[in-house]
Amino acid sequence: GNSVTQMEGPVTLSEEAFLTINCTYTATGYPSLFWYVQYPGEGLQLLLKATKADDKGSNKGFEATYRKETTSFHLEKGSVQVSDSAVYFCALHGSSNTGKLIFGQGTTLQVKP
Amino acid sequence: DSGVTQTPKHLITATGQRVTLRCSPRSGDLSVYWYQQSLDQGLQFLIQYYNGEERAKGNILERFSAQQFPDLHSELNLSSLELGDSALYFCASSPWTSGSYNEQFFGPGTRLTVL
Repeated sequence: GNSVTQMEGPVTLSEEAFLTINCTYTATGYPSLFWYVQYPGEGLQLLLKATKADDKGSNKGFEATYRKETTSFHLEKGSVQVSDSAVYFCALHGSSNTGKLIFGQGTTLQVKP
Repeated sequence: DSGVTQTPKHLITATGQRVTLRCSPRSGDLSVYWYQQSLDQGLQFLIQYYNGEERAKGNILERFSAQQFPDLHSELNLSSLELGDSALYFCASSPWTSGSYNEQFFGPGTRLTVL
């Protein structure tokens, strides 16, 4: 079945450091891929998405490129801020018959001033 | 604020009890999803309703059931509760139509603690 694997956390960075959170997936067909962010005490928010191979999703300085050849969707940001501290989830939507999302296990990011 | 509301915010109960979690979707969204977030299982899809009808089922236990009412709000019923049911339960909604993906908007969650 479809699955998503994320790098283990927590990830601790200093402000202005470069961020990469790895995400790989297993899916049949052509899934859509997403990054969601969960700030402390809140629900999940969609950060960015890509619906086909080679698409690049971007938002708030974050980017991720849908790489079908490596089945990856790594999240990057050039310069993190303390306010980026949160849990980040990679997810895929593999079925057009339902809206079901399959999530990775989440990666906690802590940014220190 | 996503526009999705969930009540209650926190729920503490004992093993063997039954609870009901409530979700009101964003205005105009016909589809409601329930997810369970726990430390050992991560974030898992439980069930989807679309305009009152069950659309998809995930790893939902037989002790759990859900429904979506004519006004589109949804309830998740958890019965014969066990310690392992302690988790954060999220509701999400989207306009969703078959054949496409629509962004899901998540509520703040209900934290269930089973003692």
